[in-house]
Amino acid sequence: EAQVTQNPRYLITVTGKKLTVTCSQNMNHEYMSWYRQDPGLGLRQIYYSMNVEVTDKGDVPEGYKVSRKEKRNFPLILESPSPNQTSLYFCASSLDRSTADTQYFGPGTRLTVL
Amino acid sequence: GQSLEQPSEVTAVEGAIVQINCTYQTSGFYGLSWYQQHDGGAPTFLSYNALDGLEETGRFSSFLSRSDSYGYLLLQELQMKDSASYFCAVRDPDSNYQLIWGAGTKLIIKP
Repeated sequence: EAQVTQNPRYLITVTGKKLTVTCSQNMNHEYMSWYRQDPGLGLRQIYYSMNVEVTDKGDVPEGYKVSRKEKRNFPLILESPSPNQTSLYFCASSLDRSTADTQYFGPGTRLTVL
Repeated sequence: GQSLEQPSEVTAVEGAIVQINCTYQTSGFYGLSWYQQHDGGAPTFLSYNALDGLEETGRFSSFLSRSDSYGYLLLQELQMKDSASYFCAVRDPDSNYQLIWGAGTKLIIKP
């Protein structure tokens, strides 16, 4: 089954404790992206990647890091989480950047930073 | 700046027709997409318009007017399962092909 998976689905952590949210897709997609979703603000892009070893900042990259060492994986790293990073996070992928209108989303990771 | 505007909430009755509007202001434009998101779920792609006109997919249709920087999503024969948030999004080549998202419209359906 074609899908985007994220782990963990739920996470409660404390300020300053480094964490990684994994994202993997099995569709051989080139384009992958991370979003955060907060009430009333819609989806805001954090980082995106157009291919292996090619990543770029989105609209709200501060406090986040990403890497793209393999085509299928695009982990999101919070080196020192803070309460304002409490949010719902989605990973998404599309075939390539020219088809970014049609993105497939993972199930989401609800993160709470205390 | 770049922005997409859509109503925050729309209420309709089961079996009726509802239209969700989206106006956009972006430096570049490739096309307008619509996504559906149920509470607690992930966004799922509904439709895409690159050219002016109406695209129909079952009970859902999407319309685009590039000259007016305007589009809408039309839902017919509303069912309770259509209760969800609907997002419009524009792919902007001037922003490295990122999708620019509206804040979403919550559709409330009453029996």
